[in-house]
Amino acid sequence: DTGVSQDPRHKITKRGQNVTFRCDPISEHNRLYWYRQTLGQGPEFLTYFQNEAQLEKSRLLSDRFSAERPKGSFSTLEIQRTEQGDSAMYLCASSSKRTGPTYEQYFGPGTRLTVT
Amino acid sequence: DQQVKQNSPSLSVQEGRISILNCDYTNSMFDYFLWYKKYPAEGPTFLISISSIKDKNEDGRFTVFLNKSAKHLSLHIVPSQPGDSAVYFCAASGLDDKIIFGKGTRLHILP
Repeated sequence: DTGVSQDPRHKITKRGQNVTFRCDPISEHNRLYWYRQTLGQGPEFLTYFQNEAQLEKSRLLSDRFSAERPKGSFSTLEIQRTEQGDSAMYLCASSSKRTGPTYEQYFGPGTRLTVT
Repeated sequence: DQQVKQNSPSLSVQEGRISILNCDYTNSMFDYFLWYKKYPAEGPTFLISISSIKDKNEDGRFTVFLNKSAKHLSLHIVPSQPGDSAVYFCAASGLDDKIIFGKGTRLHILP
């Protein structure tokens, strides 16, 4: 296992369309996190899962955003009716208390979303 | 309200000299502090951490210092190398294991 992978790496979509991103965490990691990063900012927490349970959602995550991790492995982040303000880098990270402190999160390369 | 603040957007340091990146925080409930490094087109990479019960942690060329009374931490890189050129994010974590990131400091190592 080479690390956290995300697909696609880039997505260009028109305003109003729906998009879905996928994250595959490191295989033994039971925690999976989604972050959003805009230009000039650090990553901002969106939501996280422990196994298949979604434990917390940021108020940044509007009703148009939904995340799932159905079998406790990969996760998807869907944005419905995209807006130009959704343009950002969406980062996924994973961690496991079995392999280290949960704050030692391993990040994927991100999916860059551009809404036109 | 920014709970983790990196007030220097960029820093240039001569190769071989010491790089010092600074960070301030406002939330007294944070109990771990971290530094992440980010290259273009890659996700952030965990670099070093420090628990709130310590004031120093060293790992090779990287040392993090924590001053709890001042709510300040710093990352020292010595000697600085060209491969250290990247964006460095200061971050903090509390009981809920969420990580709060600063805005980052872009470090340029000059030849």
